[in-house]
Parts: sequence; structure tokens; C-alpha cells
Amino acid sequence: QSVLTQPPSASGTPGQRVTISCSGSSSNIGRTPVTWYQQFPGTAPKLLIYSTNQRRSGVPDRFSASRSGTSASLAISGLQSEDEADYFCATWDATLHGVFGGGTKLTVL
Amino acid sequence: QLQLQESGPGLVKPSETLSLTCTVSGGFISSSSYYWGWIRQPPGKGLEWIGSIYSSGSTYYNPSLRSRVTISVDMSKNQFSLRLSSVTAADTALYYCARDGRPIDTWFDPWGQGTLVTVSS
Repeated sequence: QSVLTQPPSASGTPGQRVTISCSGSSSNIGRTPVTWYQQFPGTAPKLLIYSTNQRRSGVPDRFSASRSGTSASLAISGLQSEDEADYFCATWDATLHGVFGGGTKLTVL
Repeated sequence: QLQLQESGPGLVKPSETLSLTCTVSGGFISSSSYYWGWIRQPPGKGLEWIGSIYSSGSTYYNPSLRSRVTISVDMSKNQFSLRLSSVTAADTALYYCARDGRPIDTWFDPWGQGTLVTVSS
């Protein structure tokens, strides 16, 4: 049972805009920066977004993220087949312990 | 370019202690302003933060694993290590090491490739 709640799956067609949500609480997302990771099968997660809405160097600007209250979201516009992957959100709790979402499997139809 | 590489036994018996080492190259643990962490991922499941350590030895541990986890650092070898005692099948997972952005930010970057540890007799 993950501390942060993500939908287990999401899907979209090429060119579409897809949003992945991450729900937490006032003791985690509500007070600390949110991070997003992208993971392809058989590989380690890679940092996608840090400080809630900052793209890591090299990440296409099709990827954006935001936070509202105790929820965060990752948006992918102009969806491409290469975006098919698992996406995880993460942050700290009030005692600086790392917490992750359960992950969302994105399928490009 | 900073790189991390996990190493250690791939098979551990129940009730024994899991021991893994993360070797850092392309940078030095001793001169870093960041922490160094361990994260695990059971097959087909999500990510779980295990704990993180600073070059000074200061640590943060996941409360759910705290009683069984020890993370240490060896700056002479530019390595940090994980020990998880009294393992059960539930500890079977891919174990990753990564640079931890605390105390500044919440990211882990970069990650090692991961090493699969199976707990079985």
C-alpha cells in the first residue's frame, strides 16, 4: 500500500494530452517538492520532474507537472509511442522520509 | 558523469542478512552535498524507499524497515552499503542505489541499474 495514490493505468492515442494524478496529504505533497520518474521495462527509474514542476535537463517540454493542495499531476502533451512507460510520483513526509506512489502504467494506443 | 553500481549476492536465505554495496564513480561521496540512498522494487510492483546516508554518517531510514536496516558509508572506497537483517520472501526485490537530493530536494538521480535479490531457501 503506497503512501501516495496514483491510478494504476492511463492511456492515450498519439498526439493526445494525458494527465497522471498523484494524491497525498498535508504531511507530504502538501508541504514538500514532488518528483516524477519514468521507468521503462527492465530498466531503472529515471528522474523526469523535480521541485514539483522543473524538467530535468534533456526532458522534452511535452512533459509538465504541477501541484494543487495535496495532489500533484504529470501532463504529457503530444503523446508519442516512446512515452509508453511506468510513471511514479514521490516526495517526503513530514519527517523527511521518502514516499512513492504505486506507479501508473501509461499505454499509448 | 556520475554513475552508481550495485553489487552483492543475488540469493539470500530466509532469516539471514542481505548485504549490498553501491560503488560511486565519476564523483566523490566525500565531496557531495547530497545524501545517498537505497530504494527497492518488488517484481512487478512499486518503489519503496529504504533509507539514505550522508558522508558524515547521518542517516534517514524508512520507519517500516528501521529495525532491520543499517546503511553505512566507506569514503575510502567511494561506496555505501545496505544491510537488511532477518529477511523474508517479502524482501525479494530489485534493489537500487541512487544519489539522494536531500537536504535540498526530494529527487533521486542518477540511479544504479539495480540488482535483483531473491530470498529463498
